[in-house]
Amino acid sequence: ETGVTQSPTHLIKTRGQQVTLRCSSQSGHNTVSWYQQALGQGPQFIFQYYREEENGRGNFPPRFSGLQFPNYSSELNVNALELDDSALYLCASSSTGGTEKLFFGSGTQLSVL
Amino acid sequence: GDSVTQMEGPVTLSEEAFLTINCTYTATGYPSLFWYVQYPGEGLQLLLKATKADDKGSNKGFEATYRKETTSFHLEKGSVQVSDSAVYFCALNEPYGNKLVFGAGTILRVKS
Repeated sequence: ETGVTQSPTHLIKTRGQQVTLRCSSQSGHNTVSWYQQALGQGPQFIFQYYREEENGRGNFPPRFSGLQFPNYSSELNVNALELDDSALYLCASSSTGGTEKLFFGSGTQLSVL
Repeated sequence: GDSVTQMEGPVTLSEEAFLTINCTYTATGYPSLFWYVQYPGEGLQLLLKATKADDKGSNKGFEATYRKETTSFHLEKGSVQVSDSAVYFCALNEPYGNKLVFGAGTILRVKS
């Protein structure tokens, strides 16, 4: 059974650019959530996808968007990058739409210069 | 909105010392409470959880009790090891909710 994998592990972008982060959920999991973890802070909920539909969104602007594919893998897209978008982006999968047991990937470290 | 407050770190202890990391929460409903651990270079791992008042979650020698009257969920371990060095996050969710609300995290450093 494979765990949650994220790619790339590190990324450097320039302000104003666009970025796509990828996540493969754990086998058998149909729910993927994305979190942003700024340096020295706890993760903050961006959104969740359940069976390819968005199933809740946190307090993030529309330039943060996502997709979930039929195999339940997911993408996080961020347009018009800002310096404050520099953070660790974590993907978590679960077998239900809830949060009782989330399995997190190791994250993508995004630096915006 | 719902929130979680953790004691600030870093917490530095000697091996075999007793550990307490304080966590209090504010919630409108009756959340489940969690402790997650993040080792260097890794994602978060669920350490333990409690789903209702007076429940005690435990795992790997760590314990935390859901105290509704004090809105707290303090993490304890009787004897820490160097391998326990990590960042610990307290979190909550709402019943049937789809997101976790995390505290800011507490860095634990254990010296041999």
